[in-house]
Amino acid sequence: DAGVTQSPTHLIKTRGQQVTLRCSPKSGHDTVSWYQQALGQGPQFIFQYYEEEERQRGNFPDRFSGHQFPNYSSELNVNALLLGDSALYLCASNLRDREMAGGYTFGSGTRLTVV
Amino acid sequence: DQQVKQNSPSLSVQEGRISILNCDYTNSMFDYFLWYKKYPAEGPTFLISISSIKDKNEDGRFTVFLNKSAKHLSLHIVPSQPGDSAVYFCAASAYSGAGSYQLTFGKGTKLSVIP
Repeated sequence: DAGVTQSPTHLIKTRGQQVTLRCSPKSGHDTVSWYQQALGQGPQFIFQYYEEEERQRGNFPDRFSGHQFPNYSSELNVNALLLGDSALYLCASNLRDREMAGGYTFGSGTRLTVV
Repeated sequence: DQQVKQNSPSLSVQEGRISILNCDYTNSMFDYFLWYKKYPAEGPTFLISISSIKDKNEDGRFTVFLNKSAKHLSLHIVPSQPGDSAVYFCAASAYSGAGSYQLTFGKGTKLSVIP
């Protein structure tokens, strides 16, 4: 049973460019959340998608946007990249009505480097 | 303003002994606490959780203790094994409306178990 799959695994972009990261949730999961983990920090919540809608959002600017598709997969888009956007981006999935019982399942992440 | 704090960046323990990882929080609205383990180049893996209405939860070698009055929780690993060497993240969740939760992570503690 495949867990959460993220692509690409590594990415290098130039300041000002735009980037799209992709996530396929674990089979049977319907909710996807995105996190940003800077070096030496814990993951920080960006936003969560359920039923193709953004349900909640962390303290991130509008440059960060997302989408969820009917098959529950999700994309994270970041516009006008800044050097400070360099981080590991993690996708996590869960089944909505068992959100806490088993925790979230995380992917291995996409390492984004902005130069 | 860090709502979840792991004040020890690292911890070294001899194989077979007890590992105790600590976590403090400030938000009284947190209602679920989770521990995740992270190996390099992998996403965080769910380890164990505890509801705010309990003070202890045990799963094999792992036990989490919650002291609500002190806003403190700890993860005990007994006995520690070299394979337990990883970064451990404490996370807390609060209901944020619209049927969803949001996870807040600490910065992590790197555990090294010495053979």
